[in-house]
Amino acid sequence: GAGVSQSPRYKVAKRGQDVALRCDPISGHVSLFWYQQALGQGPEFLTYFQNEAQLDKSGLPSDRFFAERPEGSVSTLKIQRTQQEDSAVYLCASSLGVSGNTIYFGEGSWLTVV
Amino acid sequence: ELKVEQNPLFLSMQEGKNYTIYCNYSTTSDRLYWYRQDPGKSLESLFVLLSNGAVKQEGRLMASLDTKARLSTLHITAAVHDLSATYFCAVDKGRSGNTPLVFGKGTRLSVIA
Repeated sequence: GAGVSQSPRYKVAKRGQDVALRCDPISGHVSLFWYQQALGQGPEFLTYFQNEAQLDKSGLPSDRFFAERPEGSVSTLKIQRTQQEDSAVYLCASSLGVSGNTIYFGEGSWLTVV
Repeated sequence: ELKVEQNPLFLSMQEGKNYTIYCNYSTTSDRLYWYRQDPGKSLESLFVLLSNGAVKQEGRLMASLDTKARLSTLHITAAVHDLSATYFCAVDKGRSGNTPLVFGKGTRLSVIA
């Protein structure tokens, strides 16, 4: 597709349930980022890939969060044993990977943990 | 640790008026991004500023970057209702390549008749 595609767009999970959020970056984009955006806040960095290599995962809030990009294109963000504080919008972004390139964001996956 | 601060956080302005949103950041960077976000939508890229003194304009919006002062401004000229949205600035925390952005809290702009 033309843009960054994320699925599901909306997810309601019961506390303790595992969830998986998918991101399809723009074709040919080397860099892929995951951000978490709480209501009324700016996006906060979670993790970053260059091709299949996860270069920075310093923003992942706990070991319940795990991300992968095994073939350097599609990425999955997995949250295990979800908790209410995990409720947020999870944004995926991609870019060509060159300094100063525009970074394009997907529409986000809205996660509500009940 | 890189911190990015925007002000104001909330802005209500009348149609036809001018205003400026400020973005300060705490450590050296020469790559600054402005995004727009409508409610329930994703972030739309507005400007990428890559050097000291960079100025870019698109319609009623103009962005500038002063890397020495660690300050970027987003100036709105003759505001119209369609500009109502939340505006974020973000700074690239790395020194090369595309590295993660650190965002400000956003400025929620409401343009009223």
